[in-house]
Amino acid sequence: AQSVTQPDIHITVSEGASLELRCNYSYGATPYLFWYVQSPGQGLQLLLKYFSGDTLVQGIKGFEAEFKRSQSSFNLRKPSVHWSDAAEYFCAVGEITGNQFYFGTGTSLTVIP
Amino acid sequence: KAGVTQTPRYLIKTRGQQVTLSCSPISGHRSVSWYQQTPGQGLQFLFEYFSETQRNKGNFPGRFSGRQFSNSRSEMNVSTLELGDSALYLCASSKRLAVADTQYFGPGTRLTVL
Repeated sequence: AQSVTQPDIHITVSEGASLELRCNYSYGATPYLFWYVQSPGQGLQLLLKYFSGDTLVQGIKGFEAEFKRSQSSFNLRKPSVHWSDAAEYFCAVGEITGNQFYFGTGTSLTVIP
Repeated sequence: KAGVTQTPRYLIKTRGQQVTLSCSPISGHRSVSWYQQTPGQGLQFLFEYFSETQRNKGNFPGRFSGRQFSNSRSEMNVSTLELGDSALYLCASSKRLAVADTQYFGPGTRLTVL
């Protein structure tokens, strides 16, 4: 069965520091991969997505993610974190055949000044 | 253009009651998906509607149901509420069926079951 694992429940970084949020997936075929961000009291906003092609994907707000098939990973990165990046981040896999999404349990990011 | 709207934003019910949540997608979007978000389980897919037809359903009991109207607006209904149904219910819309298309999420309806 398809699954998404975000090993880090909570991460704290200093403003200006780099960030990497981990995501591992289990899926038989080439997956559609997504990263979403959720601010308190808000719905989810798409940061970036990977369907095929270049394995390094650029998204909004300065985020990028790299698809590594050999590691079944799709980690999210940002070179310099801003206080406004504090939020919950979700990785998701889209199952093409069943047209269904599977979300990880999320990583909560705290940014300290 | 206006985003996905969900009503009501907050709801308090007691066990055994039923509840109906509403979702209005972005204009021109024909797909609406519903998710349940809880602290322990994260986001879990409930169902997806496209052109008034349920196209996919997650692993939830039959107490959870939904429908979509000709204007793409969608409702979900939960009957015989249980304490464990307390959650944030999110609706997302997309132009086409969801996986190949960008989903836009609403702010959610916070349901509390007492």
